[in-house]
Amino acid sequence: DAKTTQPTSMDCAEGRAANLPCNHSTISGNEYVYWYRQIHSQGPQYIIHGLKNNETNEMASLIITEDRKSSTLILPHATLRDTAVYYCIVREDYGQNFVFGPGTRLSVLP
Amino acid sequence: ETGVTQTPRHLVMGMTNKKSLKCEQHLGHNAMYWYKQSAKKPLELMFVYNFKEQTENNSVPSRFSPECPNSSHLFLHLHTLQPEDSALYLCASSQAGANYGYTFGSGTRLTVV
Repeated sequence: DAKTTQPTSMDCAEGRAANLPCNHSTISGNEYVYWYRQIHSQGPQYIIHGLKNNETNEMASLIITEDRKSSTLILPHATLRDTAVYYCIVREDYGQNFVFGPGTRLSVLP
Repeated sequence: ETGVTQTPRHLVMGMTNKKSLKCEQHLGHNAMYWYKQSAKKPLELMFVYNFKEQTENNSVPSRFSPECPNSSHLFLHLHTLQPEDSALYLCASSQAGANYGYTFGSGTRLTVV
């Protein structure tokens, strides 16, 4: 069963922020939100994860709503190399394997 | 390079052939995984190994046979495959019991003819 819902595709202008939404309305208290991306014909790449606080690293920021039912991955200055499929996954701490859905295909346009 | 190396990158095999895919990780991880990604489909988890022991087999046909001789190496042995088995096969590793993401290899693009 899909635990997350993401738009099928999005476009973003180069240099602008890319905001990728994810709905996870049935998330439980011990489940984390993870984001991966997959550039064409490569393996998925881990981006970031969080439980309830907002997180930031060198790649992106993760904003999780207070009720934890949705989140947004933010790429602050998208480049052409950020064109990829982005996957939002919820997973229990220490336990479950990652189950990938169809993700969002982000196209960064020049 | 992500620290997880898969060979070969591309493989074409006949339906009566036997071949093996190899995965090697130098990250000190103790869990390894095989995923399959068919065209226009999400990744599907095939096998999970924790501390060299297989802990999950997601109803994968017996023509796919995994082997994990140690925590750094994972193989997928293939025999009598079907054309519909053509896909990108991805290996990943992680630290079991830790709340980190997986590190994936670049995959082997398999074509069965």
